[in-house]
Amino acid sequence: KQEVTQIPAALSVPEGENLVLNCSFTDSAIYNLQWFRQDPGKGLTSLLLIQSSQREQTSGRLNASLDKSSGRSTLYIAASQPGDSATYLCAVKNGGATNKLIFGTGTLLAVQP
Amino acid sequence: SQTIHQWPATLVQPVGSPLSLECTVEGTSNPNLYWYRQAAGRGLQLLFYSVGIGQISSEVPQNLSASRPQDRQFILSSKKLLLSDSGFYLCAWSSSRGEKLFFGSGTQLSVL
Repeated sequence: KQEVTQIPAALSVPEGENLVLNCSFTDSAIYNLQWFRQDPGKGLTSLLLIQSSQREQTSGRLNASLDKSSGRSTLYIAASQPGDSATYLCAVKNGGATNKLIFGTGTLLAVQP
Repeated sequence: SQTIHQWPATLVQPVGSPLSLECTVEGTSNPNLYWYRQAAGRGLQLLFYSVGIGQISSEVPQNLSASRPQDRQFILSSKKLLLSDSGFYLCAWSSSRGEKLFFGSGTQLSVL
């Protein structure tokens, strides 16, 4: 059974710092991995999707990497801003046409101005 | 462009009352539709998914049911709510190829 873990559960950094969020999964036979952002009381916004054949994806100040064999993904945020404050969730898809994603419990990020 | 609408945003219901949450998608046809629940301190749990009209798959045994009366409409229901049904409910859609998942804004349900 696939299990997804995110460490740390919460993180507070000063504005301008580069930071890394971690995601690990127990079954390396994944189809893809997605990183989402969730603002308080809101839905999730997809940030980056990495296919199982890819090593990384980049969007602006965000870079997500995937090491499938070790069951790990990282989300790197460069030059953090207060507007980056949110909960970040990773989710893996094990296969099939339906998006039955397995989510981690998230990392709550606070960027202090 | 595609949009997903989910309502209501918040709902407070007494134990034993019925529930109906609605979700609609615009700008796409034959989407895969999903209901997730996010309980406090826990990750998102997939409750139901649908690949077409009238086709519903349930992921976990529970007090809830889902229906898809139209291609772009997905409804979450309960005949009698339990305290444990409280949580943040999210509707989502993806293309039939099942790549990126797009979420609605969520419904915060409190059962008292």
